[in-house]
Amino acid sequence: NAGVTQTPKFRILKIGQSMTLQCTQDMNHNYMYWYRQDPGMGLKLIYYSVGAGITDKGEVPNGYNVSRSTTEDFPLRLELAAPSQTSVYFCASTRTDTNEKLFFGSGTQLSVL
Amino acid sequence: AQSVTQLDSHVSVSEGTPVLLRCNYSSSYSPSLFWYVQHPNKGLQLLLKYTSAATLVKGINGFEAEFKKSETSFHLTKPSAHMSDAAEYFCVVKPTNFGNEKLTFGTGTRLTIIP
Repeated sequence: NAGVTQTPKFRILKIGQSMTLQCTQDMNHNYMYWYRQDPGMGLKLIYYSVGAGITDKGEVPNGYNVSRSTTEDFPLRLELAAPSQTSVYFCASTRTDTNEKLFFGSGTQLSVL
Repeated sequence: AQSVTQLDSHVSVSEGTPVLLRCNYSSSYSPSLFWYVQHPNKGLQLLLKYTSAATLVKGINGFEAEFKKSETSFHLTKPSAHMSDAAEYFCVVKPTNFGNEKLTFGTGTRLTIIP
């Protein structure tokens, strides 16, 4: 099993550009999450999904959008990139909603200049 | 409301000596507590979790943590550090029986191992 796969690993954007961060998992997990990690800070939840077709906002959703058309894929969209979105982004998944471990991808390092 | 405080942003120990990474929490509910490890350029990996069973929890790679309700602490320990333990460690809290969207991550402790 590949687990949780994120692409790309690195990206540099100009202010105002858009991009999609890809996340796919092959473990048939219903629950998927997008986090951002800023230097010296804990992970902050951006969006999450409890199954195909169902998404909800996390703590820091502004400037982002998500969709969940299949169980496997959970892309994160940045429409108008801003310097404040410079961060490392992690996708995670889990089988159930309570107390089971999250499986994390290896992250996408995004710089907006 | 809940929060988690990792008391040290950086810890350095010599190889073969004990490791102590400190975590205090606050929670309005009965908490579940986790320690995750992040090696360079990797995603986070679960080390261990406490979910209201035994207060001394054993995890992978020789790590363990003790839940102390009276001290609101969940410190991570290992008797003998190995070079491969060099990584960032995150303490995480969640109200038991709530969804993972309620996870609160600490700011992390970077562990350096001195040869």
